[in-house]
Amino acid sequence: VQLVQSGAELKKPGESLKISCLASGYTFNKYWIGWVRHLPGRGLQWMGMIDPGDSDARYSPSFEGHVSISADRSINTAYLQWSSLRASDTAIYFCVRFATMTRLFYDYWGQGSLVTVSS
Amino acid sequence: EIVMTQSPATLSVSPGERVALSCRASQSVSSDLAWYQHKPGQPPRLLVYGASTRATGIPARFSGSGSGTEFTLTINSLQSEDFAVYYCQQYHQWPPFTFGPGTTVDI
Repeated sequence: VQLVQSGAELKKPGESLKISCLASGYTFNKYWIGWVRHLPGRGLQWMGMIDPGDSDARYSPSFEGHVSISADRSINTAYLQWSSLRASDTAIYFCVRFATMTRLFYDYWGQGSLVTVSS
Repeated sequence: EIVMTQSPATLSVSPGERVALSCRASQSVSSDLAWYQHKPGQPPRLLVYGASTRATGIPARFSGSGSGTEFTLTINSLQSEDFAVYYCQQYHQWPPFTFGPGTTVDI
């Protein structure tokens, strides 16, 4: 199992961004994919998740309306998207695989994507 | 939202020592509790799930215990590679899944 994320991004406030997570080594549409934000010195926050089988996405109330999660089953890839970035979005973002549909911890993690938002 | 707290925030120890990290939930999460190890420049790694089940490939010196609102991760005979930040996470009630603020284990 591997989750390979897109590279580091440097953006300006107000710009849009879409980062990706390419899954391999398992059947993509059988496991939820989630996104976790890491603010160094401030820990980890769960942002949301998607069922790649039917693209049903759920969000943390802290992030709903500010990010969008999607998936493309044809290329085994999940996405995290912003339409208007803020400086406070500067962080490392990890995609994660849920162990199963009922055991909702994360058994595999992507390597992380650094997003820097600065004018 | 279930709030997770961890103590202590930082633990300074020597290799070979035994450490116990505490995690507390604001309401019962049954045994739906996982522990992760996070080293700089790497993604977090799953250590324990179901409060006490070691994940695949995790050394036996790591053990988890507890249920309800009180949990402990114990590391016996700390190795140099164990110096890291440790997070607990509840997956009993969501959204959102919530993490504790972490405990840093350093030298």
